[in-house]
Amino acid sequence: GAGVSQSPRYKVAKRGQDVALRCDPISGHVSLFWYQQALGQGPEFLTYFQNEAQLDKSGLPSDRFFAERPEGSVSTLKIQRTQQEDSAVYLCASSLRSNRNPNYGYTFGSGTRLTVV
Amino acid sequence: GQQVMQIPQYQHVQEGEDFTTYCNSSTTLSNIQWYKQRPGGHPVFLIQLVKSGEVKKQKRLTFQFGEAKKNSSLHITATQTTDVGTYFCAGRSGGSNYKLTFGKGTLLTVNP
Repeated sequence: GAGVSQSPRYKVAKRGQDVALRCDPISGHVSLFWYQQALGQGPEFLTYFQNEAQLDKSGLPSDRFFAERPEGSVSTLKIQRTQQEDSAVYLCASSLRSNRNPNYGYTFGSGTRLTVV
Repeated sequence: GQQVMQIPQYQHVQEGEDFTTYCNSSTTLSNIQWYKQRPGGHPVFLIQLVKSGEVKKQKRLTFQFGEAKKNSSLHITATQTTDVGTYFCAGRSGGSNYKLTFGKGTLLTVNP
């Protein structure tokens, strides 16, 4: 597609429920990132994939958070046993950047707004 | 870890006035990027600066990267109502050639 597609756009989960957020990056983009954005804050890094390899997951807040990109395109961010503090917008971004050519901007999706009640 | 700070947090201007937001990093940056996020929207890439002292212009927007590569600024001349949104700087330090650390952003509102 022309842009980064994320679904669902909005998700309301009861505390303790598991959720799965989907990201469909721009075709051909090697790099894929997940960021978490709290209200009134800047995006915070969660994890990074280069193709199917998860090269950095240092930003994941706890072991309840898990991300995968099994075929190097679509990625899923899963949150188990959701807590109220998980409420935020989850942004996916893809980029042409690679180790050989690191200087590319990110294209963000519209995000998934997760509300845990 | 790397920290990126932006000031001011909020700026309200009359249409036609100029606007500047400043970005400072706790570490030397390999490059810095700027993004704009409209209310209810997602960040949209504006520009990247790589070289020390670099200045780039996009119509009414002027971006600067400091000589020490630890600070940057975005200046908008003669603001318009379409400039409303939050402007984020995001820096990449030498320790990582992929991770962008975002500032908290400057929310610009424009009174017509």
